[in-house]
Amino acid sequence: AQSVSQHNHHVILSEAASLELGCNYSYGGTVNLFWYVQYPGQHLQLLLKYFSGDPLVKGIKGFEAEFIKSKFSFNLRKPSVQWSDTAEYFCAVNAGRGSTLGRLYFGRGTQLTVWP
Amino acid sequence: NAGVTQTPKFRILKIGQSMTLQCTQDMNHNYMYWYRQDPGMGLKLIYYSVGAGITDKGEVPNGYNVSRSTTEDFPLRLELAAPSQTSVYFCASSYSTLAGGPDTQYFGPGTRLTVL
Repeated sequence: AQSVSQHNHHVILSEAASLELGCNYSYGGTVNLFWYVQYPGQHLQLLLKYFSGDPLVKGIKGFEAEFIKSKFSFNLRKPSVQWSDTAEYFCAVNAGRGSTLGRLYFGRGTQLTVWP
Repeated sequence: NAGVTQTPKFRILKIGQSMTLQCTQDMNHNYMYWYRQDPGMGLKLIYYSVGAGITDKGEVPNGYNVSRSTTEDFPLRLELAAPSQTSVYFCASSYSTLAGGPDTQYFGPGTRLTVL
């Protein structure tokens, strides 16, 4: 079975600080990678995704992530966070097109708290 | 276009009771999923379906059942509720082709279930 590790369980930042959330996965083959965000009391929304091509992907609200195959990593970044970025962030992996039928494996999540 | 809808939003059950969590999507997605989210544990896949009439177990299927009689609906059934099933349940859907594999999953707003 695959595993997805998010090393930071709770991150606290001040507004305008830079953000990097780590995500590592265990699958060695072709992967599709996702970052989802869950704002307080809301459902999961897609921030960005990587399927193929440029390993640096840009998502909504100024977020970006870099896929580094050699490190099995897909870290999420934002140069300057805002109070409204306070949320829980989930990294998810789908291994191989069609082979696992779209099953997503989620990390445990990182709670980001941004102080104004 | 409502996306993925779930009912009810909240429910309290007594041990041993049964209930059905409803999930409907109007995006004509062929794949549908049920996850449970426990604090600090991320999301775990309960069941999934790749099309009407086809379902399969995920990581944590025990105590649950599903059916998929139509493309739109994917209800989750709890037969004998137990305190361990206290969780937030999310339904999701995605579109997939044999050639392209599954795409982004879209999530519903969730059902918060408490079993006492």
